[in-house]
Amino acid sequence: EVQLVESGGGLVQPGRSMKLSCAASGFTFSNYGMAWVRQAPTKGLEWVATISYDGSSTYYRDSVKGRFTISRDNAKSTLYLQMNSLRSEDTATYYCTRGGPDYWGQGVMVTVSS
Amino acid sequence: DIQMTQSPSFLSASVGDRVTINCKASQNINKYLNWYQQKLGEAPKRLIYNTNNLQTGIPSRFSGSGSGTDYTLTISSLQPEDFATYFCLQHNSFLTFGSGTKLEIK
Repeated sequence: EVQLVESGGGLVQPGRSMKLSCAASGFTFSNYGMAWVRQAPTKGLEWVATISYDGSSTYYRDSVKGRFTISRDNAKSTLYLQMNSLRSEDTATYYCTRGGPDYWGQGVMVTVSS
Repeated sequence: DIQMTQSPSFLSASVGDRVTINCKASQNINKYLNWYQQKLGEAPKRLIYNTNNLQTGIPSRFSGSGSGTDYTLTISSLQPEDFATYFCLQHNSFLTFGSGTKLEIK
């Protein structure tokens, strides 16, 4: 069974950093591109970043370029999202997704507030 | 960037009804259009991929159609468990989501 389990969320002050992790199981992690998607409270879904299966290519939405870094450790079957210089508008539930995307994690809440 | 316009935002229907939800892309997305169902507090679940391919385990009352810029999700006979939020996603160029359709019981 495919499982994606996010962790690392919580409350953080504006301008600070936070790192999210997504532990994958039930499939060969190194075969799939992965992405982070977020959903602000009462808002729609928004793509954040994508990484290729081997980590050689990464892509970001404009509003997070230069602040967020997506990465992966295929030996650990884990996806990461390093978020720096956080802003109030980054407040959202962050989902780890596989491929198309076909599978999604349950999400982790990130609240940026003083 | 590709924009996705989803309609309607809210839909009130009864068990047994046939309903359709639409998504319109700002440019041709070559049938790279998925449909998802999301229930409160749960992860989204993919129903349809690449316009008209039914995800394994999803009931056949769900179907998708479309091409170019216009796409449709149809639920042929609503069941109680179908009342949820539905959204589309284009993956022709990065990912862009529709704004969602909340399907409620009439």
